[in-house]
Amino acid sequence: KAGVTQTPRYLIKTRGQQVTLSCSPISGHRSVSWYQQTPGQGLQFLFEYFSETQRNKGNFPGRFSGRQFSNSRSEMNVSTLELGDSALYLCASSLSGQGIYEQYFGPGTRLTVT
Amino acid sequence: QKEVEQDPGPLSVPEGAIVSLNCTYSNSAFQYFMWYRQYSRKGPELLMYTYSSGNKEDGRFTAQVDKSSKYISLFIRDSQPSDSATYLCAMSALESGGYNKLIFGAGTRLAVHP
Repeated sequence: KAGVTQTPRYLIKTRGQQVTLSCSPISGHRSVSWYQQTPGQGLQFLFEYFSETQRNKGNFPGRFSGRQFSNSRSEMNVSTLELGDSALYLCASSLSGQGIYEQYFGPGTRLTVT
Repeated sequence: QKEVEQDPGPLSVPEGAIVSLNCTYSNSAFQYFMWYRQYSRKGPELLMYTYSSGNKEDGRFTAQVDKSSKYISLFIRDSQPSDSATYLCAMSALESGGYNKLIFGAGTRLAVHP
């Protein structure tokens, strides 16, 4: 079974620009979560989508947004990029539901903002 | 104070040693406890998860959860150079999205030398 895929793997953007990252979950998985990983703050939860609806959200500004499509693929958008947005952005998929399901991570998109 | 505390290390041990990795937490609502391994430039890989208190063993890995002390541990027996990676603990409480909002520790960098 193919794992979680993320595109692009690397991205360089300039302050003030916007960026869209893509995540394709494992086949059959309906929940997609997004995380930001930085050396200073570690891994932090951004938001989670299930059936095209955002079910949970972390403490990030509104510049960070996402969506999920009917095939469970998800995109994350960051507008008005700041230098501090430089990070590894990870998505994770799980079967979801309300029970306990393992989350499987993709390789991440490394975003550098200059 | 962070919800999940984890010593970032680094931890350096000789091959064959028993490794003990630990996390403490403050949120008594956490019920689902996970350990992830992350190699350099890769996404986190789920090693084990435990629901509520108790022990769980998988090969050379043993996870322990002590909810009364808000303390979790991962033991690695007969450590190998291939175990060299960053180990992240993660926890979640039941929310609107189920257990999909993971709160991570900072990660402990482990080096196993031959």
